[in-house]
Formats: sequence, structure tokens, C-alpha cells
Amino acid sequence: DAKTTQPPSMDCAEGRAANLPCNHSTISGNEYVYWYRQIHSQGPQYIIHGLKNNETNEMASLIITEDRKSSTLILPHATLRDTAVYYCISRGGPGAGSYQLTFGKGTKLSVIP
Amino acid sequence: EPEVTQTPSHQVTQMGQEVILRCVPISNHLYFYWYRQILGQKVEFLVSFYNNEISEKSEIFDDQFSVERPDGSNFTLKIRSTKLEDSAMYFCASSPLLVVWRSSSTDTQYFGPGTRLTVL
Repeated sequence: DAKTTQPPSMDCAEGRAANLPCNHSTISGNEYVYWYRQIHSQGPQYIIHGLKNNETNEMASLIITEDRKSSTLILPHATLRDTAVYYCISRGGPGAGSYQLTFGKGTKLSVIP
Repeated sequence: EPEVTQTPSHQVTQMGQEVILRCVPISNHLYFYWYRQILGQKVEFLVSFYNNEISEKSEIFDDQFSVERPDGSNFTLKIRSTKLEDSAMYFCASSPLLVVWRSSSTDTQYFGPGTRLTVL
């Protein structure tokens, strides 16, 4: 089973920031936090990942707590096209020996006009 | 921007028939994966492939399944004798698996659009 916990669903008003939480209290020191999203039945789309530091790219920001037990994905200005299921996944980095992604049920984000 | 492509987008087959699902990973990627998603369920890992051999496989990936990289660009998943329960979306993914010292890894997996397999 997935080693992360996410709320099953969230709503966000269009244009507002969407903050998606993830709990990964059993994460080990060499495990990364990855975020993907899936729109309808399309292939999962990579968003962002991090180890310890906060990360930002053109899609989103990732805030990881200092103890690394939880993180938050931030979509700064949500649009209707951001409506999707968002998955938070913990996974070992290079050299871990296992690279499979274990998907949970994720958070269904609905962006409301 | 480079993308993983998959063909066909939809495959319908009769139970007991063999199917081959095809994927073209991103050029220069070294690791290849297959995942599947039964309607309404989670995305599940099937197999990973590196250096022309399977590196990991799940319990789902039994003797009915096989993978191959027949040439320098294609990566295929074969199901020898399809069952009704094989009906699912099948996603291919690839990653570069590069290690950057003292920085984040760049072995991110990029997924294709999927093939919807329907077994009748």
C-alpha cells in the first residue's frame, strides 16, 4: 500500500491558490516526495519532486516540513484545467534499488469557476 | 518537448487472444516501465526494464506477460492469452536515471497517454 496519506477530495476557486497536503510520516531519509496528477484517464503527469528543500517549477511549488513528515503542493493560480486527481508518492532516489511508483487514491481536486 | 507515445490508443480483443501494446519511450531514456489502471482503481506497477532485462516486476506480472525492446526505439508489452480481468488502461513510462551529485535526482518517470485494452 501507498506510504502517504492524502485527503480524498478538495475544492478550490478558480484563480486561487490550491494547497494540497500530504502526510508521509514514515518516510526514510533517502526517499523523495513526488507529485503527479491524472486528468480523467490520461497518463499520470509529473509535477514536481523534492527531498528536503522546498522546490518550485513552472507548474507548482512543493513545501516540505523540516521533519519531512508532511508536504504541501501549491498550485499558485488554479485554473479549470487543473481539475484532476493529485498523487503524492514517496520513493527512493538513485541507488535505492527500487524505482517503481506506488500510487494511492490521491486527492481529487475540483477547481470551481 | 519529448513525449512518451503509445499505440494503439484503444485495443479490443477476444478472450484468449494475444495482444502486443507498443510504446516509444523518450529518446535517451534508459529505464522503461509498464503500469496499468483498471477502471476506477489505482495505477499499479507491472514491470521495469533496464539494460535489456527486467529489473523489477510485481505479482501482477505473471507468465502471461512479457516485455521486449525489439529495437532501439520501441518497448512492448505482450499478453499471451488475455483474460477479461486484463481489461484496463496500460501506461508506459520512461526515465533517464541520471544521478546528479548533491542535488535532486533526475530519474523522474514520464508517462505516455495509455492504451485502453478491452477484452471481450
